[in-house]
Order: sequence, then C-alpha cells, then structure tokens
Amino acid sequence: QSVLTQPPSASGTPGQRVTLSCSGSSSNIGSNTVNWYQHLPGTAPKLLIYRNNQRPSGVPDRFSGSKSGTSASLAISGLQSEDEAGYYCAAWDDSLNGVVFGGGTKLTVL
Amino acid sequence: EVQLVESGGGLVKPGRSLRLSCTASAFTFGDYAMSWFRQAPGKGLEWVGFIRSKAYGGTTEYAASVKGRFTISRDDSKTIAYLQMNSLKTEDTAVYYCTRNIDVAVADYWGQGTLVTVSS
Repeated sequence: QSVLTQPPSASGTPGQRVTLSCSGSSSNIGSNTVNWYQHLPGTAPKLLIYRNNQRPSGVPDRFSGSKSGTSASLAISGLQSEDEAGYYCAAWDDSLNGVVFGGGTKLTVL
Repeated sequence: EVQLVESGGGLVKPGRSLRLSCTASAFTFGDYAMSWFRQAPGKGLEWVGFIRSKAYGGTTEYAASVKGRFTISRDDSKTIAYLQMNSLKTEDTAVYYCTRNIDVAVADYWGQGTLVTVSS
C-alpha cells in the first residue's frame, strides 16, 4: 500500500493530452514539493519534474507538473509512443521522515 | 556526463549481509547527497535512504523498512557511496538503484541498478 495514491493505468492516443494524478496528505504533498519520475522496465528511472513544476534540462516542455493542496498532476501533451512507461510521483513526508512514492501509473499509448 | 554504476548485487541467503557500491563520475561527488532506492519484482519504486554531503554533516536517513539493518556511507576521496545490508530478508529482494540528489527527495541522476536476490 503506497502512501501516495496514483491510478494504476492510463491511456491515450498519439497527439492527445493526458493528465496523471497523485493524491497525498498534509504531511507529504500538502507541505512539501512533488517530483515525478518516468520508468521503463529494465532501464534507469528518469527525473521528469521536480519541485512541483520544474523540468530538468533535456525534458521536453510537453511534460508539465502542478500541485494544489494535497494533490498533484503530471500533464503530457502531444502524446508520443515513446511516452509509454511507468510514471511515479514522490514527495518528502514529514511524519514518516522519508521519501514516499505513489504506486505508479502505467501509461499506454494506443 | 554524470555516471553512476552500482555493483555488488547477487544471490544471498536470508540473515546474511551484502554491501553494494555506487561508483560516481563526472561531477563533484562531495558536493551532493546520495540516495538508494529499490524496486521489488512486480512492485513500484521505494526509497531506501540517503546520505547528506559532508557540508550538511554527512548524516543519514532511512526508510522504516530498513532502519537498523541497512547503513549508507560514502568515501568522497574514491567517489563511492555504499549500502551495507545486514540481516537480509526475502522481502529485500529487488533491483537497487543509486542516485545523485539535488534535494532530499529529488534524485536527478540514477544508475542502471543491481539485482539483489535474498533466497535460501
């Protein structure tokens, strides 16, 4: 059971915009910033969004993040086949004194 | 380009110990906190712990699931981070990833991972 809640799956067609959600509580998302990671099986996870809405260099601006209260979202516009991957949200949790993750959303590009 | 290479994984019996190494290159290792994460078969990503840079005391934090059994250390002169795992349990079976951190919860570079299998 993950501390942050993500839907297990999502899908979209090429060119479409999809939004992935991440729900937490006052001790994590409510009081700390949210980060998003992209993970393809067998590869190293990749930082996609940090501090709610910042993109590391090299990440396309098709990816954007937002946060409101105890929830966060990752939006992917202009969906491409290579976006098919697992997406994880993460944040520091003040009560657990550690980093907590969502269970991940597997995105399928139809 | 920043590189992180994990080593030391393998098959180990329950109750035994194993030490993982993470060799870093192409950045000033001593300036950064380093973390370990893991992914068990069929499961999501899980934070294991991290070690701050010496400038921030070099202190460590651990997930509750490994606290008291795992220890993270660093050798800045060799640019290596270590994960000492004692009293291993079958549920510790996972791919272990080493990361560079720009923040306690922000891992901006990841290694390819090393598989640890705990089984009798």
